[in-house]
Amino acid sequence: QKEVEQNSGPLSVPEGAIASLNCTYSDRGSQSFFWYRQYSGKSPELIMSIYSNGDKEDGRFTAQLNKASQYVSLLIRDSQPSDSATYLCAVTLGTYKYIFGTGTRLKVLA
Amino acid sequence: DAGVIQSPRHEVTEMGQEVTLRCKPISGHNSLFWYRQTMMRGLELLIYFNNNVPIDDSGMPEDRFSAKMPNASFSTLKIQPSEPRDSAVYFCASSLNGGQGRRETQYFGPGTRLLVL
Repeated sequence: QKEVEQNSGPLSVPEGAIASLNCTYSDRGSQSFFWYRQYSGKSPELIMSIYSNGDKEDGRFTAQLNKASQYVSLLIRDSQPSDSATYLCAVTLGTYKYIFGTGTRLKVLA
Repeated sequence: DAGVIQSPRHEVTEMGQEVTLRCKPISGHNSLFWYRQTMMRGLELLIYFNNNVPIDDSGMPEDRFSAKMPNASFSTLKIQPSEPRDSAVYFCASSLNGGQGRRETQYFGPGTRLLVL
């Protein structure tokens, strides 16, 4: 079992719709969770961080964490073509390691 | 405030040659990470430094890979000799590690695209 699992996609949504990206992780001791966005040919950039169970909202983005189910998700409301990218889930493991999923490719159709 | 700086941005070399990648972390950050990204394997952690000391190099694929951090503002990743399978994008990232518990965000540099012919 991979430590962090994401559906590779592509996930296609029409412009204006809600995109839902999911991530599961295997280490129950993980304490910090991050969503990064990576455009083709570019470096990952932070979208959201979440540390406690529940929802965290920032503009059009909402991160959801459920530690009991070892599940973290990212919702993008009012999806725009500019949101088309690969979204990487990252989970901390132990005292310093960040384990990244292989990413979900999102395509927002105009 | 400048982000993480990496050089070169692109490197094309021939098999057997030595390759040196460079990284300048964000000022004040005490943790530095080298990653390799490929389509097949995604982002893989190669080595982690904390306060300039290598803490975990278990991700370094072979003895051909070595990394140094002589001071808080500079790190190198060296491949000698290089092989075609080393072709990938190499990212440097830095963060502020405050100790146990919550981990702080990692900030990535622009990456070095390495092609070994």
